[in-house]
Amino acid sequence: DQQVKQNSPSLSVQEGRISILNCDYTNSMFDYFLWYKKYPAEGPTFLISISSIKDKNEDGRFTVFLNKSAKHLSLHIVPSQPGDSAVYFCAASDRNAGNMLTFGGGTRLMVKP
Amino acid sequence: DGGITQSPKYLFRKEGQNVTLSCEQNLNHDAMYWYRQDPGQGLRLIYYSQIVNDFQKGDIAEGYSVSREKKESFPLTVTSAQKNPTAFYLCASSSGTGDYGYTFGSGTRLTVV
Repeated sequence: DQQVKQNSPSLSVQEGRISILNCDYTNSMFDYFLWYKKYPAEGPTFLISISSIKDKNEDGRFTVFLNKSAKHLSLHIVPSQPGDSAVYFCAASDRNAGNMLTFGGGTRLMVKP
Repeated sequence: DGGITQSPKYLFRKEGQNVTLSCEQNLNHDAMYWYRQDPGQGLRLIYYSQIVNDFQKGDIAEGYSVSREKKESFPLTVTSAQKNPTAFYLCASSSGTGDYGYTFGSGTRLTVV
């Protein structure tokens, strides 16, 4: 049973436009969410996070939105750049149960010049 | 600079042989993890350790073994019992507390020849 799901395996966007990557979760105990970016043959790197006490967190071109009632989070990248082309993983944790992360299956973003 | 190092980056193994993948961190993190990634797939947890001399099976532990004799080191052995070992292997560490998520190594690509 997948507790964190990324239903779109891939997304293609034109350079300069907005990229929206989505993530759904089922465990209502999750209280901390992260996005990681991964290039081929490299390890994932941390991108941005959000605590469940917030509904938005912004860092430059990257914004994460959290809708707790819908158990849904999204990552917005504006404007998208070709260097953003990578696989993006969302992850969630229940900090009261330790810091284990549960990962989604990833979404491959392709930004076309 | 603190970080997490995986070696080697590429590894070739003959069928029937055991092979050990190295993972070392100097971040003073308590917890360490091993993941496997197959082409087009997400991250699947193999083993994790939250403290020295203790480790737990993840979702796909069969055919793998680990040890955690030192805080800094969490080697993964891929045994001959692993039926399909060709994959990209990622090691990660975390402090186990706080909001810092995981730090990943750069990965080891294992190919069975």
